[in-house]
Amino acid sequence: SAVISQKPSRDICQRGTSLTIQCQVDSQVTMMFWYRQQPGQSLTLIATANQGSEATYESGFVIDKFPISRPNLTFSTLTVSNMSPEDSSIYLCSAVLSGAGEQYFGPGTRLTVT
Amino acid sequence: GIQVEQSPPDLILQEGANSTLRCNFSDSVNNLQWFHQNPWGQLINLFYIPSGTKQNGRLSATTVATERYSLLYISSSQTTDSGVYFCAAKPNSNSGYALNFGKGTSLLVTP
Repeated sequence: SAVISQKPSRDICQRGTSLTIQCQVDSQVTMMFWYRQQPGQSLTLIATANQGSEATYESGFVIDKFPISRPNLTFSTLTVSNMSPEDSSIYLCSAVLSGAGEQYFGPGTRLTVT
Repeated sequence: GIQVEQSPPDLILQEGANSTLRCNFSDSVNNLQWFHQNPWGQLINLFYIPSGTKQNGRLSATTVATERYSLLYISSSQTTDSGVYFCAAKPNSNSGYALNFGKGTSLLVTP
């Protein structure tokens, strides 16, 4: 199974600022994703991080608010821009191993916006 | 998109009891996974089970793909089983691997 790490594990940020979350996988993977989990809710897909091309965003999520980078097959970043208290959530990255379908998740980044 | 419904939404068990969690999905799937989210927010993979039956210790899962449901069995529950159990599925009709999550079953196991 893949080992996925995220940094930071948690942060408290002020309204109007931006935070970049890093996701590192210990092996090369073809598919990486970013999910959001609002307090007391289930997980919602933000976007698919495509290596070498722009991310594919789900309905309701836009690149200006959640820019994503995927410079190689083991690393991705998600930026939460111009934050408001409504952005307070757990942000999780996930990955699918090449040739398999099972998806693994990082430990999450718990973000609080004041 | 695919609808993933889990039941019951909440469950309280006494230590040692058995339970069954259900996941219904509205479309044919080629990926079905069960996760346990612990109190610290970590999602732990339990089963990758688009069809058939699997067992891992006190946990087992069965997916009947033709009838569009999956069951997670927890036997001899322990307090460490507490947390939220999520079912997530990817429909055959979608390209890629992104998962659609149910709302979860919140389980509390009391001593």
